[in-house]
Amino acid sequence: EAGVTQFPSHSVIEKGQTVTLRCDPISGHDNLYWYRRVMGKEIKFLLHFVKESKQDESGMPNNRFLAERTGGTYSTLKVQPAELEDSGVYFCASSPSRQAMGGYTFGSGTRLTVV
Amino acid sequence: EDQVTQSPEALRLQEGESSSLNCSYTVSGLRGLFWYRQDPGKGPEFLFTLYSAGEEKEKERLKATLTKKESFLHITAPKPEDSATYLCAVQAGNQGGKLIFGQGTELSVKP
Repeated sequence: EAGVTQFPSHSVIEKGQTVTLRCDPISGHDNLYWYRRVMGKEIKFLLHFVKESKQDESGMPNNRFLAERTGGTYSTLKVQPAELEDSGVYFCASSPSRQAMGGYTFGSGTRLTVV
Repeated sequence: EDQVTQSPEALRLQEGESSSLNCSYTVSGLRGLFWYRQDPGKGPEFLFTLYSAGEEKEKERLKATLTKKESFLHITAPKPEDSATYLCAVQAGNQGGKLIFGQGTELSVKP
C-alpha cells in the first residue's frame, strides 16, 4: 500500500511569492489533515477534510492560506503571499475514519523556507 | 485549554540503559492518546493509541501506559536504532479528529 505522498519535499521562496503544497493521501482514506511545525514549536493542526468538505479549519493561521481537496482525492495548500513566519515543515496525514483508532498515517512533509 | 507537555526535551542513554519518557496532558474528554516516533526528515510514524486510564500497550522494547493525567513511554534495553524523536498527542472528545501534540522528546542511544 502506498503511503501519504507530499511534494515538493523542499521549497525555498521569497517573501511575497506564492507556493502550493500538494498531498496525496492513501487511496480510500476519506479523512485528510494538514499540520505544521515551525522551528522550536510543536506540530500544530491546520485543517481537516472529510472527502472534499472542510470539516474543521480552526487551525488555519489567516486568509493567506487556502486549502482545497478537489474530488475528495489529493489536497493542495496554497500560501499567498508568503511571509517569513510561514517557514516550517508542513505535514499531511490521512485516515480511514475520524477516530483514527489505528493512528493517522503521515507524509514526510514539505519543508518551506521563506526568505 | 487542551495542552500536552512532554519531558524531558532530550534524553541520552547508553545502549541497554532503560528509561521512561513522560507525557502530561490536560484535555476536555480524552478520546485517545497517541505515541508517534519521528526520524529526521520524515513524518511521524504511529506507535500506539491508549484510550483509558490503566491501559498498557507494548511493541518490541517499547511499552506505553496511561493514567488520568499522564502517559509514560518505557524503553527497555534500548538500542541505537531506537534513537528518534518521540511525540505524544491527544485527541479530545469535542475537537473532531484533530490531534494536539507535545513538543517531543529527542532520544539518543549510544552504543
